[in-house]
Amino acid sequence: NAGVTQTPKFRVLKTGQSMTLLCAQDMNHEYMYWYRQDPGMGLRLIHYSVGEGTTAKGEVPDGYNVSRLKKQNFLLGLESAAPSQTSVYFCASSSLPRQYFGPGTRLTVT
Amino acid sequence: GENVEQHPSTLSVQEGDSAVIKCTYSDSASNYFPWYKQELGKGPQLIIDIRSNVGEKKDQRIAVTLNKTAKHFSLHITETQPEDSAVYFCAATTNFGNEKLTFGTGTRLTIIP
Repeated sequence: NAGVTQTPKFRVLKTGQSMTLLCAQDMNHEYMYWYRQDPGMGLRLIHYSVGEGTTAKGEVPDGYNVSRLKKQNFLLGLESAAPSQTSVYFCASSSLPRQYFGPGTRLTVT
Repeated sequence: GENVEQHPSTLSVQEGDSAVIKCTYSDSASNYFPWYKQELGKGPQLIIDIRSNVGEKKDQRIAVTLNKTAKHFSLHITETQPEDSAVYFCAATTNFGNEKLTFGTGTRLTIIP
């Protein structure tokens, strides 16, 4: 039982490049989330999903897209990366109300 | 929407002493309050949570207290150990079963040997 896993762990992008972050969970949870963590700002919700095939906007959705084609996977896409998207990204899954987090992806946009 | 404030932002405690971290929330409808511990380079880990129908919950050296009237809740760590050094986050949700949490900005706890 791996819990929540994230791929990749680290990535450096140039401004304007695109990439996809993958989150996978093996706990059969309906709810999945993407957060970003910046110094002094805690965790901010980007997008979330309440079940396979659904997505919804969180607090800071601009510049990101998501897809939940399979229950166990939640993908976060950056179509045209900007330096303001330099952050640590965490995925979480939930059997309400408890949320369980992955190890994170550190993304740097230069 | 919900707003969660967390204090202090940093806290240093002598090993063996107690540590207390406090959070206040704005929405009186909030009824679920988890605490997360984040070690360096890792994701947040749920360490304890409390629901609004309970005033206090304890798990070994960790306890959480809730004051609904004052809209604040606190994390208490007793007999602190070096492995307690981490960043701690509180959170709240406005409706038990609501899929979204609002997080505080974190407290960096350092245990001094």
